[in-house]
Amino acid sequence: GEDVEQSLFLSVREGDSSVINCTYTDSSSTYLYWYKQEPGAGLQLLTYIFSNMDMKQDQRLTVLLNKKDKHLSLRIADTQTGDSAIYFCAESIKGTDKLIFGTGTRLQVFP
Amino acid sequence: DAGITQSPRHKVTETGTPVTLRCHQTENHRYMYWYRQDPGHGLRLIHYSYGVKDTDKGEVSDGYSVSRSKTEDFLLTLESATSSQTSVYFCAISGDQDVGVMEFEKLFFGSGTQLSVL
Repeated sequence: GEDVEQSLFLSVREGDSSVINCTYTDSSSTYLYWYKQEPGAGLQLLTYIFSNMDMKQDQRLTVLLNKKDKHLSLRIADTQTGDSAIYFCAESIKGTDKLIFGTGTRLQVFP
Repeated sequence: DAGITQSPRHKVTETGTPVTLRCHQTENHRYMYWYRQDPGHGLRLIHYSYGVKDTDKGEVSDGYSVSRSKTEDFLLTLESATSSQTSVYFCAISGDQDVGVMEFEKLFFGSGTQLSVL
């Protein structure tokens, strides 16, 4: 079935790099996404990667995709306190109009 | 929040009562979605709409119904609320019809409705 898994928590020191991992199940996904949710707010699209790419870099964010292992990761360089949030990965399901979201990883950044 | 308004923002109700949550958009997006967010489960799709009067079920649709009589509004109804439906409900939209590019996977979310069923 459709299942997207993430670890629930990650704690890092300010200035260090954060790596948030995700495994997905649908090998036919067209795009894979990372969304960010700040406290008390809805989700916002952070970045996405097309399934025929293996890496995408956008300023402090690096997305790595391993299609063979169905593994997606988000690396945040020089993590700041403002990066503290819940991060969701999501996969599109081919032939449908919907996304399947992971359970979310709560990133806590401490000074 | 990209022209998306959810109402109410907070609601407390009793088991067995009907509840309707409203999502209103000013963006002329084709797709609208209702998700619920629960600890340990992330976001789960309840129902979605791909046009006026066109709706489909998501992964957790039991106990919920939806209606979309016009592009701007997508209503989620709990016919008889249960305590298991206590959750945060998010509306999302995608598919900007003015642009003409069916980027239906880039979702924009509302601020959420906290529903407590006692």
